Amino acid sequence: GQQLNQSPQSMFIQEGEDVSMNCTSSSIFNTWLWYKQDPGEGPVLLIALYKAGELTSNGRLTAQFGITRKDSFLNISASIPSDVGIYFCAGRVAGGTSYGKLTFGQGTILTVHP
Amino acid sequence: AAGVIQSPRHLIKEKRETATLKCYPIPRHDTVYWYQQGPGQDPQFLISFYEKMQSDKGSIPDRFSAQQFSDYHSELNMSSLELGDSALYFCASSLTGIAEAFFGQGTRLTVV
Repeated sequence: GQQLNQSPQSMFIQEGEDVSMNCTSSSIFNTWLWYKQDPGEGPVLLIALYKAGELTSNGRLTAQFGITRKDSFLNISASIPSDVGIYFCAGRVAGGTSYGKLTFGQGTILTVHP
Repeated sequence: AAGVIQSPRHLIKEKRETATLKCYPIPRHDTVYWYQQGPGQDPQFLISFYEKMQSDKGSIPDRFSAQQFSDYHSELNMSSLELGDSALYFCASSLTGIAEAFFGQGTRLTVV
């Protein structure tokens, strides 16, 4: 099946620092979504990307849909303690339906030190 | 705004018992997805429904079945439970043509 490689696996940063994480795949995707998950809770949608090259912001978060359609990145600027959590990328493979399944990356565990 | 509602939030069952998990999608959403997430793992796709028909199938054991009803809510039925079925089970919903999929808070199933 489709594999999404997400990196880094974990990050330990100081409050105020910027963070960058990315996902890559050998398959072409037509949708990229970024989620944040707190322990024991459901993933919360942060940003949705629809087309290659798209750059979208949501407050301090910025995500881009790679030109090759095989990758995406998420940046968090000026991190704060409440940014702590697990960040997942997820995508729908190209050629599928708009209601096709989402494949998830392995997640990036973010720890922010005050 | 209304979100995806899952029930129950927590469930404890013994081996070989059955369990039924329920999912109520966001109003007007026509697609429901079920995911299983083990400790420290990413969500694994189980099955999805579009307009009450199964639309995709992932790594769902034969012991599990699911359906989407006329009011668009969905149920995941799990039989002959095994210890390895202990996990968080998430339901998500989306609207055709819109990329976003929204997740519920999940059901934590513990099999003892």
